[in-house]
Amino acid sequence: AQSVSQHNHHVILSEAASLELGCNYSYGGTVNLFWYVQYPGQHLQLLLKYFSGDPLVKGIKGFEAEFIKSKFSFNLRKPSVQWSDTAEYFCAGQTGANNLFFGTGTRLTVIP
Amino acid sequence: DVKVTQSSRYLVKRTGEKVFLECVQDMDHENMFWYRQDPGLGLRLIYFSYDVKMKEKGDIPEGYSVSREKKERFSLILESASTNQTSMYLCASSLRPHIYTFGSGTRLTVV
Repeated sequence: AQSVSQHNHHVILSEAASLELGCNYSYGGTVNLFWYVQYPGQHLQLLLKYFSGDPLVKGIKGFEAEFIKSKFSFNLRKPSVQWSDTAEYFCAGQTGANNLFFGTGTRLTVIP
Repeated sequence: DVKVTQSSRYLVKRTGEKVFLECVQDMDHENMFWYRQDPGLGLRLIYFSYDVKMKEKGDIPEGYSVSREKKERFSLILESASTNQTSMYLCASSLRPHIYTFGSGTRLTVV
């Protein structure tokens, strides 16, 4: 069955540190990949998406993610985090016209 | 912007009560979804609907039902609430099967 896994459950960083959150998917065919973010008290919103083409995708607020097919990975990165990036981050996948399947989420805490 | 509105932000219900969670979207989206979000478990799909009067079970439909009488409204029903249904419930809608718009969530506590 298709799934995504996020191995980091809680990440704590100081401001200006670099961020990389892991996401691995399990599906051998074509898959669309997404990162969603949920800021405290707010609704889930799309950070970035990958459908095809350039494996390095850029999203909002300086985030980017790289699709590495050989590693079944779609890690989220940001060179310098801010306190306002404190949130929960969800990786999600989708095959064809099927529903999204989500990872278990990574909670990011950025210390000022 | 598409808006997905969930009628209640917080709900407290008693065990055995019938609970209705309402979700309304204002952009004529065909697809609507109900998820529950629990710490360490992420989002799990309860039910979804691709059209009026249509419903499909997701990954964890037990103890839940849904209703979609109008395109803009998708209701989640807990027939007899139990404490293990205490959770955050998220509604989402999408026009195409790619980009979801989520509501702010309803935090349900069953006591």
